[in-house]
Amino acid sequence: GESVGLHLPTLSVQEGDNSIINCAYSNSASDYFIWYKQESGKGPQFIIDIRSNMDKRQGQRVTVLLNKTVKHLSLQIAATQPGDSAVYFCAEILNTGGFKTIFGAGTRLFVKA
Amino acid sequence: DVKVTQSSRYLVKRTGEKVFLECVQDMDHENMFWYRQDPGLGLRLIYFSYDVKMKEKGDIPEGYSVSREKKERFSLILESASTNQTSMYLCASSLYPGTTEAFFGQGTRLTVV
Repeated sequence: GESVGLHLPTLSVQEGDNSIINCAYSNSASDYFIWYKQESGKGPQFIIDIRSNMDKRQGQRVTVLLNKTVKHLSLQIAATQPGDSAVYFCAEILNTGGFKTIFGAGTRLFVKA
Repeated sequence: DVKVTQSSRYLVKRTGEKVFLECVQDMDHENMFWYRQDPGLGLRLIYFSYDVKMKEKGDIPEGYSVSREKKERFSLILESASTNQTSMYLCASSLYPGTTEAFFGQGTRLTVV
């Protein structure tokens, strides 16, 4: 899951297994959420998004689940591949008259071949 | 293919130097952002701009300024670099503020010695 601190939480999975990466977001009024993937030496890349009026959204090999009751977001990656190795972080977007984006610290995913 | 380009991948500067980080996007986006990324802390917003010549402070603007003279270009300026500004700097752009995914540059790793 997400963590504040100097060291990123790490998830290590076997190639072909499913991965679940978790994120606890901070504001119950956030109305839009995004998952980003950041590979080593690159900028973050959009993976999938979900609005607060949804519980689940599916993309290609990825699914995002939103539980507003406990302010929890998860990213599921099916049949994890070595190319999925990266840091994943969530972002919540809050509309308070102006838009504010709050990023999580990230989770490092290692995929073992 | 959309693109956000940062002028340098790596920079080493001395304490007290004035530093310019340049960012160019080719998507005709209104909104541009500068973040810094530090281990375990996620992305923190320094400044953003929603139009040419417009700028707004983010969460950590101290020690930084920005310039947006043209729509496609957003510059981050460190007036007098200090060692605590050693970090990864990420530029991003988006079509609408907060409601669509941001496209990120590859990042500039700045070291202040």
